[in-house]
Amino acid sequence: GAVVSQHPSRVICKSGTSVKIECRSLDFQATTMFWYRQFPKQSLMLMATSNEGSKATYEQGVEKDKFLINHASLTLSTLTVTSAHPEDSSFYICSARGGWAEAFFGQGTRLTVV
Amino acid sequence: TQLLEQSPQFLSIQEGENLTVYCNSSSVFSSLQWYRQEPGEGPVLLVTVVTGGEVKKLKRLTFQFGDARKDSSLHITAAQPGDTGLYLCAGVGGTASKLTFGTGTRLQVTL
Repeated sequence: GAVVSQHPSRVICKSGTSVKIECRSLDFQATTMFWYRQFPKQSLMLMATSNEGSKATYEQGVEKDKFLINHASLTLSTLTVTSAHPEDSSFYICSARGGWAEAFFGQGTRLTVV
Repeated sequence: TQLLEQSPQFLSIQEGENLTVYCNSSSVFSSLQWYRQEPGEGPVLLVTVVTGGEVKKLKRLTFQFGDARKDSSLHITAAQPGDTGLYLCAGVGGTASKLTFGTGTRLQVTL
């Protein structure tokens, strides 16, 4: 299958700072990327859907000013958690889809805000 | 909001036993996928079922899509410790073909 790379895999940041997570499709062009959040022992919750060159569509309850998503190219999307707080600590996962139905997932980013 | 309920939430069995995981929804999906996720990693796609009533087999795993395309099941025969993980069903639907993940079933297989 296609490869999606997420970076960093782990990050610890201080409360009040911003953190950027990158999601790259390595061997295909991703027309759509999805960002998910997963709390311990829970399922994945979709945060937003982004299409290359357009604004992301956020799910209900997700603060778009706090979770900034940029999908500037067909191989890269970024999620920036602004003014992070301890309650933002979570496992963030991206997935990317090209011209077919299957979406491929990154390996996830464990964010810890202290 | 489309909800996918999985049962059981947690299952601990011994090697060699059989098990079935259920995924139920009140919504109809164009297709349904099953994933397995290991701790600290992203989910890995196991199968996609598209047609109501469809049955797919992947070695010891058997997947079935309900006739009405609202529910699905995953049956594992002769479970092995390597089957341990979080199993997630995900319904595909909507204009962006978004995935709606189920609540998850955590499987532990011991020797």
